[in-house]
Amino acid sequence: DAKTTQPNSMESNEEEPVHLPCNHSTISGTDYIHWYRQLPSQGPEYVIHGLTSNVNNRMASLAIAEDRKSSTLILHRATLRDAAVYYCILRRALNTNAGKSTFGDGTTLTVKP
Amino acid sequence: GAVVSQHPSRVICKSGTSVKIECRSLDFQATTMFWYRQFPKQSLMLMATSNEGSKATYEQGVEKDKFLINHASLTLSTLTVTSAHPEDSSFYICSAFAQVPFHYTFGSGTRLTVV
Repeated sequence: DAKTTQPNSMESNEEEPVHLPCNHSTISGTDYIHWYRQLPSQGPEYVIHGLTSNVNNRMASLAIAEDRKSSTLILHRATLRDAAVYYCILRRALNTNAGKSTFGDGTTLTVKP
Repeated sequence: GAVVSQHPSRVICKSGTSVKIECRSLDFQATTMFWYRQFPKQSLMLMATSNEGSKATYEQGVEKDKFLINHASLTLSTLTVTSAHPEDSSFYICSAFAQVPFHYTFGSGTRLTVV
């Protein structure tokens, strides 16, 4: 599995944008970039995913570098409820629901009021 | 859509007993499910891949005789922790990848405490 690396922790002020980086220098051409977040004592929650182009949804935006070796999750206005551990993982494109992914250590986001 | 239901959410058992954790895909079929283990302040560690109708694939270092996985239908996978010991106390999470909407969906997790 291709590996991802993220900063251990980041801080943000409430209602300010947050940019969470992820490096995946060994990404292959068919790997999708996925982001999930996990609140304490809960299972991870899907945030966003992409392949090559930047992506937006109601939760966040995903900016993917042109060489695809890095990506950035953007929370446009952080709220206290966004405080969580954010994981960036890679998942190979398959036409089945097989295909495991490995989680790195993630980034713990702290949001200050 | 693409919901995974995991039960129980919390279980306390005595050392030496077995505990079964269920993971169901509610609105999609999952031929493959994934079981993770998470210790406090640590990331998710993949334990095994559960395959419907065939044997599970275990990650290196995970004892298959201790962590029994059964995936008897397209919507249900179970993890049984056999002869549990205090060191098996952990947060166990199941997951499945749904082709629609094309991402992993996770159960809410099971907090296992062995006393």
